[in-house]
Amino acid sequence: KQEVTQIPAALSVPEGENLVLNCSFTDSAIYNLQWFRQDPGKGLTSLLLIQSSQREQTSGRLNASLDKSSGRSTLYIAASQPGDSATYLCAVMYNNNDMRFGAGTRLTVKP
Amino acid sequence: DAGVIQSPRHEVTEMGQEVTLRCKPISGHDYLFWYRQTMMRGLELLIYFNNNVPIDDSGMPEDRFSAKMPNASFSTLKIQPSEPRDSAVYFCASRSRYSGANVLTFGAGSRLTVL
Repeated sequence: KQEVTQIPAALSVPEGENLVLNCSFTDSAIYNLQWFRQDPGKGLTSLLLIQSSQREQTSGRLNASLDKSSGRSTLYIAASQPGDSATYLCAVMYNNNDMRFGAGTRLTVKP
Repeated sequence: DAGVIQSPRHEVTEMGQEVTLRCKPISGHDYLFWYRQTMMRGLELLIYFNNNVPIDDSGMPEDRFSAKMPNASFSTLKIQPSEPRDSAVYFCASRSRYSGANVLTFGAGSRLTVL
């Protein structure tokens, strides 16, 4: 069964702290993995996409890594800001276009 | 591009009524996906289309749900008759297989409440 798990479910940190969000998946035969951000009452915004052949992707203060063999991905956020507060979802796409989402990590960055 | 456009943004209806949700994908995108998000089950794929053809509808909960894509720029998700347990946020997303990144772009969602 293709499951995606995100830990922790919620995280609260003071502004300026570096943090790591975790994503694990049971089926390592993935096509790609994507990290999304969702603000309350809004849709999902794509942050980073890692192809199955890649090990990491970076965009500004965000860095996502992928370890297919262990079924894990991490999203690293450097120097967190209150504007980073949102729910972060990890999504794994398989070759049949089936994209499985984790339940998300709700991040709060306190000023 | 205005992105993926969904309507209505909010719908409140009574049990038994027909609900139609609409989606306009990004121009040039040949894949369109319908997702449902609830607190209990998170994001679930309902159905997806490739070049206007339904490819996988195994996520559609039951016969009360139907989806169509009459052309490349429009899709509908219909629930008839609606039930309170259908209350959720329904997202439409699109992507292009010609995009090297294969990034999935989501609409803002349609929040459905069935009383």
